[in-house]
Amino acid sequence: AQKVTQAQTEISVVEKEDVTLDCVYETRDTTYYLFWYKQPPSGELVFLIRRNSFDEQNEISGRYSWNFQKSTSSFNFTITASQVVDSAVYFCALSRDNAGNMLTFGGGTRLMVKP
Amino acid sequence: DAGVIQSPRHEVTEMGQEVTLRCKPISGHNSLFWYRQTMMRGLELLIYFNNNVPIDDSGMPEDRFSAKMPNASFSTLKIQPSEPRDSAVYFCASSPPLGQGTEAFFGQGTRLTVV
Repeated sequence: AQKVTQAQTEISVVEKEDVTLDCVYETRDTTYYLFWYKQPPSGELVFLIRRNSFDEQNEISGRYSWNFQKSTSSFNFTITASQVVDSAVYFCALSRDNAGNMLTFGGGTRLMVKP
Repeated sequence: DAGVIQSPRHEVTEMGQEVTLRCKPISGHNSLFWYRQTMMRGLELLIYFNNNVPIDDSGMPEDRFSAKMPNASFSTLKIQPSEPRDSAVYFCASSPPLGQGTEAFFGQGTRLTVV
């Protein structure tokens, strides 16, 4: 069975601080995909990144970076110099199909960035 | 493209009534997913269609729930009879054929309240 754990239910930071959101997953599959989605207060789910299990390279996109470590089954997400607009619930997810789209979501981390 | 379109955005109904949620996937996408989001259970996959055929409906909670995809551009999720515990946000998502894209795109969701 697959499982995604986001141990931090809520994080509060002050603008310009760096923040890391943790994600730990469990799967018996050798091929799988990991995702991060953002859910702002408006409620929609916004895709941030997808990473396959064979690609352990870290990725940086602007202020966002992701650290994938298969050895610890973790896929952590860091926001550098956080901004108020980053306030949202962030979900880590794991796929359970070859196409990488049948998602098992973690419980989410609510990030509050205060001015 | 307008993205995944769900209707209605909000639905309030009385217990025992039939509820139908609608989804129009992105043109050209051949996979469609229905997810449910609740405070207690988070985001859960209910059913997955590929090329209009239901592939995995293991997440459908019970017989009161049914989903159809009569053609590539339309899907419905029906609850009959509805119960207060069905109150949730229901998301529809679609994804392109394998090799033509990397992630599922989510609709804005339908917030269902059963009183």
